[in-house]
Amino acid sequence: ETGVTQSPTHLIKTRGQQVTLRCSSQSGHNTVSWYQQALGQGPQFIFQYYREEENGRGNFPPRFSGLQFPNYSSELNVNALELDDSALYLCASSSQIGKLFFGSGTQLSVL
Amino acid sequence: AQKVTQAQTEISVVEKEDVTLDCVYETRDTTYYLFWYKQPPSGELVFLIRRNSFDEQNEISGRYSWNFQKSTSSFNFTITASQVVDSAVYFCALSEAGGAQKLVFGQGTRLTINP
Repeated sequence: ETGVTQSPTHLIKTRGQQVTLRCSSQSGHNTVSWYQQALGQGPQFIFQYYREEENGRGNFPPRFSGLQFPNYSSELNVNALELDDSALYLCASSSQIGKLFFGSGTQLSVL
Repeated sequence: AQKVTQAQTEISVVEKEDVTLDCVYETRDTTYYLFWYKQPPSGELVFLIRRNSFDEQNEISGRYSWNFQKSTSSFNFTITASQVVDSAVYFCALSEAGGAQKLVFGQGTRLTINP
C-alpha cells in the first residue's frame, strides 16, 4: 500500500454537473500529480502541484482545475462535465523525480 | 514531443514461462527518465523501476530484469519464471529530467499468467 488515498472510489454524475475529487498524499511528499486514465489506455497527465502552486499542466481545458493544501492534500475539480470525462482519475504523490506513488483512483462515470 | 509505444496489447503465457514486454520511446531530450509501472486489478499503479538516460546498465531485481538500449530507444522488461501473481497491466513511461514530473505513458500491456 502506497499511503496515497483517494475519495470517493466511485462517482456517477450527469453531463454539465461539477465534480470534486480528493487525494491525501503520502506523508512527507510535497508534490502531487493528477492523471486521467480512460478505459484501455495509459494514464494522461492533467497537472502537478508543488507546495500549493501549479507547476505543470497537460493538454486539458481550463474546466479542469486543482488545489493543493498546506498539508499537501489535493483536490481535482472538473466543471461542465462531458461524457468523455468518464475515466479513472489517479492521484500520485512524490518526493523525488519520477518515483510517483499512486492511489487506487476515483472511477468517474458521466451519464 | 515525447511518445511511448507498447506494441503488445495483450500477452498470455503459462506459469513458469519467461515473458518480455517491449517498450519503444521517442524524445528529443538528451536527459530523461524511463519507468515501468504495474497496475493490478485494484487500480493503483505500482512503481517498478526508474532508469536515467545516462545509465544504460541493465538491471535485475529478483525475477525481473530490464534491458535499456539507447541505440534503439527501447526499454524492455523481462519476467523470468512467471507466476500467476504477475498478472496485471504493465505500463512503460517517460519523463523529462527537469520541471514538472509529467510522465508520458504507453498504452500498456495486459499480461495474463495462466496456471
